[in-house]
Amino acid sequence: DAGVTQSPTHLIKTRGQQVTLRCSPKSGHDTVSWYQQALGQGPQFIFQYYEEEERQRGNFPDRFSGHQFPNYSSELNVNALLLGDSALYLCASSLSKTSTDTQYFGPGTRLTVL
Amino acid sequence: SQQGEEDPQALSIQEGENATMNCSYKTSINNLQWYRQNSGRGLVHLILIRSNEREKHSGRLRVTLDTSKKSSSLLITASRAADTASYFCATGRGSNYKLTFGKGTLLTVNP
Repeated sequence: DAGVTQSPTHLIKTRGQQVTLRCSPKSGHDTVSWYQQALGQGPQFIFQYYEEEERQRGNFPDRFSGHQFPNYSSELNVNALLLGDSALYLCASSLSKTSTDTQYFGPGTRLTVL
Repeated sequence: SQQGEEDPQALSIQEGENATMNCSYKTSINNLQWYRQNSGRGLVHLILIRSNEREKHSGRLRVTLDTSKKSSSLLITASRAADTASYFCATGRGSNYKLTFGKGTLLTVNP
């Protein structure tokens, strides 16, 4: 049973560029959440997707957008990259009915913005 | 903004000793969870305690929750070098779908 997978593992971009990160949830899960973790900090909630719609959003600008596909996989898009967007981006999957219970995290995508 | 605050920020102990980490939070919660993170990788769920529970055990882990003080503690008994990691508490609230994490405690277990 595959867990949560994310791609790519690492990514280097320059300021102003756009990036797309991908996530496949754990088998049987229908809800995907995205978190940003800056160095030395705890993860910060970006948004959560359920039934292909954004169900809740954290305190992040509109440059951060996402999508969920019919197979429950998800993408995180960040436009007009800033140096401060450099972070580990974590995807977590869960069941909709228990989305504030255990969330299963992927290994993350390390984004470096130069 | 982060709801939880872990204490201490860093903890260094010898193998075989017990490690205790604390977490304080600000608002009412449905549950509190502890996660482990090795070297900047993904988070691994350790244990969840609900707001109506006071103590929970899982293997070498013991978690307590005091909702009157808005605090929780994680005890790892008989620590091993493999327990070296960052530990985060995260809170879940009823109508709120997100988990809110603290800044974490970096635990180093020396062999």
